[in-house]
Amino acid sequence: DIQMTQSPSSLSASVGDRVTISCRASQGISSYLAWYQQKPGKAPKLLIYAASTLQSGVPSRFSGSGSGTYFTLTISSLQPEDFATYYCQHCISAPYTFGQGTKLDIK
Amino acid sequence: EVHLLESGGGLVQPGGSLRLSCAASGFTFRSFAMSWVRQTPGKGLEWVSTISSGASTYHGDSVKGRFTISRDNSKSTLYLQMNSLRAEDTAVYYCAKDKSGGLEGLFDYWGQGSLVTVSS
Repeated sequence: DIQMTQSPSSLSASVGDRVTISCRASQGISSYLAWYQQKPGKAPKLLIYAASTLQSGVPSRFSGSGSGTYFTLTISSLQPEDFATYYCQHCISAPYTFGQGTKLDIK
Repeated sequence: EVHLLESGGGLVQPGGSLRLSCAASGFTFRSFAMSWVRQTPGKGLEWVSTISSGASTYHGDSVKGRFTISRDNSKSTLYLQMNSLRAEDTAVYYCAKDKSGGLEGLFDYWGQGSLVTVSS
């Protein structure tokens, strides 16, 4: 199975900051990579797929990049509603695996 | 608007069975693959099973032989039959819609989740 490793596991930042979260796959997955946002008590929400394609309705301050084994999610200017946990997930083939999550909280 | 509503969760003893249901609305259910994803505090998010629009099924190794995913397109409902339940199956189970009809593994809408607790 493909393992997905995120870093950091947690991150403190302020409103207006630019933040980047990394995700590494244990083997090449081309651009079959998605990012999700999850708030406490809620289901995950798809933000980005195909490594860099923004899901409909997601603000443009979110962006994704990478291919192969290394990927990043960047939030250009943090807003109060962005404090949440973020997960990467590969979708190249089953079994689909998720990263362990990156918790983003307010500094 | 897409809605996914899970039901059927609860407390069950080890070795017992439970069937989860997911009622879907707001899209052409029969045209999309559907999946179950579970979440535990210790193991995070774990893909469980997927059924394609053509009813091909796929299960993760941890549930293979014990869980069965199925769908009833006439009722726009997804199911997960869970047998031989173990303590490690305790989790919130989410129903999720795939972005396509095939096996894409990309989940663009999720239900609110159903808690399954396996304990004596």
